[in-house]
Amino acid sequence: DAKTTQPPSMDCAEGRAANLPCNHSTISGNEYVYWYRQIHSQGPQYIIHGLKNNETNEMASLIITEDRKSSTLILPHATLRDTAVYYCIVRARQGGSEKLVFGKGTKLTVNP
Amino acid sequence: DAGVTQSPTHLIKTRGQQVTLRCSPKSGHDTVSWYQQALGQGPQFIFQYYEEEERQRGNFPDRFSGHQFPNYSSELNVNALLLGDSALYLCASSSLGRDGDTQYFGPGTRLTVL
Repeated sequence: DAKTTQPPSMDCAEGRAANLPCNHSTISGNEYVYWYRQIHSQGPQYIIHGLKNNETNEMASLIITEDRKSSTLILPHATLRDTAVYYCIVRARQGGSEKLVFGKGTKLTVNP
Repeated sequence: DAGVTQSPTHLIKTRGQQVTLRCSPKSGHDTVSWYQQALGQGPQFIFQYYEEEERQRGNFPDRFSGHQFPNYSSELNVNALLLGDSALYLCASSSLGRDGDTQYFGPGTRLTVL
């Protein structure tokens, strides 16, 4: 079973920041938080991951709370192309063998 | 730098038939994982291959088998197809020594079983 909880759907206006929450209250010390997104019928796209520090790349920012029990993915200026299902996944990284366990994700709709 | 590629894009089979799906990993990656995604669901892990061996397996029957070749490419085989095997089949590649073991997905193969 997935170890994360996400809202089933969210809406965001184009050009505004999209803030997608994720709860992972049972996360272990060696588990990372990963975010992927999946645009309709395409393969999931890796966005970002982090352990305990906030992370930023060209796609998004990841904010992880100090107790690591929740995180927020931030798309700073959402566009229509950001409409997708966003998956938050916790995963240990041990020798490269750990599978990804997907939940139902959050369906983000960016409106014009 | 080529990403993960999969073939074919779409496939239609009938019940009882067998199917082979193919995956070429991202350049520099040595590990391939396969996932099944039914309509409206998140991807479910089937198995993972590393050094031509199945390293980890999800809750799928023995009808699902795989192989990894010396060039790290991989095949997923499904025997005795059932209607319920209709899904998007995803391949993901990774490497502990590169990209920090992050899994990158291909575009998927859409399998329809009639």
